[in-house]
Amino acid sequence: GAGVSQTPSNKVTEKGKYVELRCDPISGHTALYWYRQSLGQGPEFLIYFQGTGAADDSGLPNDRFFAVRPEGSVSTLKIQRTERGDSAVYLCASSLTRAGEAFFGQGTRLTVV
Amino acid sequence: GESVGLHLPTLSVQEGDNSIINCAYSNSASDYFIWYKQESGKGPQFIIDIRSNMDKRQGQRVTVLLNKTVKHLSLQIAATQPGDSAVYFCAENMGSSNTGKLIFGQGTTLQVKP
Repeated sequence: GAGVSQTPSNKVTEKGKYVELRCDPISGHTALYWYRQSLGQGPEFLIYFQGTGAADDSGLPNDRFFAVRPEGSVSTLKIQRTERGDSAVYLCASSLTRAGEAFFGQGTRLTVV
Repeated sequence: GESVGLHLPTLSVQEGDNSIINCAYSNSASDYFIWYKQESGKGPQFIIDIRSNMDKRQGQRVTVLLNKTVKHLSLQIAATQPGDSAVYFCAENMGSSNTGKLIFGQGTTLQVKP
């Protein structure tokens, strides 16, 4: 079966631009997570969806970051006015239950130049 | 505060030997722990998990040990193979809370020498 799919796999953007990163979770998984991973570090939690609602967005670093999951499946992470410090790999994961085994996608490598 | 850390950044073992990767956590409220393996250019891959009401859990060639007294978690890999070379992360979750948020450590790089 298909795993978690993230697009694009790589994104290079100019400082100040707007970007959208897409995540297609495993079919039927109600829980969806976004993490950010800098080089040499572990993934850092950003936001968690249960169904359509953001159950925990405490990891979003500031109001330039926003995520949606309008139909409870695909999710989009949106970053406004990108900064060089936003460069990282953005990982999406999904799971059947809140604390169940989370399956990660391969990530989107964002580079802000 | 919430933090998960690993004792060693790099572990080098001979093929066929057993590997032990350690992890310390600081949040005594955490009740669910997971080990992930991450290969270069890929997302983390689930290896094994354990809940706080257990102190040991075994999988295929892997064993996780949990010592809640000293807030310590370890991953044991038996008969380490070249394909085990990767970065290993432990992660913790407060399952009793209303969030699926995982707190990850910084990772240990496992290098398997042929």
